Amino acid sequence: RKEVEQDPGPFNVPEGATVAFNCTYSNSASQSFFWYRQDCRKEPKLLMSVYSSGNEDGRFTAQLNRASQYISLLIRDSKLSDSATYLCVVPIKGGSYIPTFGRGTSLIVHP
Amino acid sequence: GAGVSQSPSNKVTEKGKDVELRCDPISGHTALYWYRQSLGQGLEFLIYFQGNSAPDKSGLPSDRFSAERTGGSVSTLTIQRTQQEDSAVYLCASSAQTGGTEAFFGQGTRLTVV
Repeated sequence: RKEVEQDPGPFNVPEGATVAFNCTYSNSASQSFFWYRQDCRKEPKLLMSVYSSGNEDGRFTAQLNRASQYISLLIRDSKLSDSATYLCVVPIKGGSYIPTFGRGTSLIVHP
Repeated sequence: GAGVSQSPSNKVTEKGKDVELRCDPISGHTALYWYRQSLGQGLEFLIYFQGNSAPDKSGLPSDRFSAERTGGSVSTLTIQRTQQEDSAVYLCASSAQTGGTEAFFGQGTRLTVV
C-alpha cells in the first residue's frame, strides 16, 4: 500500500456542485494532515489543515477519520476558480517526519 | 525575502553536464525540503534539512544527486552527469518547524535535459 493514496480523477463537475475527495494513508502514527492546492505549472499552496475535530473554511470542509486512516475534502458550491489539483499531505516518519504528498486529485469545474 | 526563492526558474542542459539549483528559504525557517515533480506526477521527496542536524537523504534517487545547506539558510541541489530522466520541476519548500507545520514552496526550477 502506498503511503498516501488519492484518486487522480479528473472530477468534472458543473458550477454550484458539491464534490468530495478522499485520501488514504498508511502510517497510523501521523498526527498532522493538510490539503494543498496546485494550479497548472504552479507550486503547491496550503489550502487548509486537517484537525482531529474537522476544519471548515467557507465552502471547504476537511475531516479526519483515524480509524479508517483517511482524510476528506468537501467543496460546496463549486466555482470555476476551484479548478486545480488537490494534494493530500501526511507527515510520514522515516528518519524524521517528512511531508509526504499524494499524487493529487484533479478537479475541473465547468460552466 | 517574503517567500521561498528558487533559481534559475528554467534550466536546459545537455546530457552528462552537472547542474546546480539554488533555494533561498523564508528567513527564520529551520526546515528545508527538496522535492521533484515529473510531468503529471506527484511530488517525490528528495532531501530534508532541519537546523544543524544531519540531513535526511533517504529520497535521493542516486549518488549523482547531492545537496547542501550553508549556514542554515541557502541550499544548493547538485545533479552530476545529468540524464534525460532527471528532467522535472525541482521544488524547494521551507517551514518554521518539522512535520506538523505548513510548508511554503518556491516556484520551482524546471530542468530539461536534452
